[in-house]
Amino acid sequence: EDQVTQSPEALRLQEGESSSLNCSYTVSGLRGLFWYRQDPGKGPEFLFTLYSAGEEKEKERLKATLTKKESFLHITAPKPEDSATYLCAVRLDGTASKLTFGTGTRLQVTL
Amino acid sequence: KAGVTQTPRYLIKTRGQQVTLSCSPISGHRSVSWYQQTPGQGLQFLFEYFSETQRNKGNFPGRFSGRQFSNSRSEMNVSTLELGDSALYLCASTNSDSYNEQFFGPGTRLTVL
Repeated sequence: EDQVTQSPEALRLQEGESSSLNCSYTVSGLRGLFWYRQDPGKGPEFLFTLYSAGEEKEKERLKATLTKKESFLHITAPKPEDSATYLCAVRLDGTASKLTFGTGTRLQVTL
Repeated sequence: KAGVTQTPRYLIKTRGQQVTLSCSPISGHRSVSWYQQTPGQGLQFLFEYFSETQRNKGNFPGRFSGRQFSNSRSEMNVSTLELGDSALYLCASTNSDSYNEQFFGPGTRLTVL
């Protein structure tokens, strides 16, 4: 069965304290790994799509990387406004646009 | 470029009623997917529509249905509402040529009493 697991479930950081979120997957036929940010009561905001092992993408303080079994979202020198739930999702062969999501990591960044 | 819009933003219904939610995708996007988000189950795929045809369906009962119009706008309907249907319903729009980005709307918060 296809599985997407995110860890940790929750993470509390001080402003400026860099860390990484993990998304591990056990799937057949990966066609893309997506990262989203979601604020309470809002829809997920698209961050990145990664396609192949070794690929990296960056946006401001965020950097996403991909291996054959997992993806990391590195947050460098986070600020309080980076507080949100970070979701990863996979798109698989033959499933068109369907995304299978992990349960997310709730990130809180304090002053 | 306007984003994905969903209406209404909030709904309160009682058990047994039915509800229709609407989604307008980003201009030019012909694929619309629907998801249900609950605290216990997270984000779960309901179905996808492309060119007015349902192309993919998740593991939800037949009470959940949808349709897509020729302008790519989509609606989903839930009949005979149950308490467990309370959730945030999200619509996602994608460029079906590449599927490399999927953009979500703000969601409709449905509360079933």
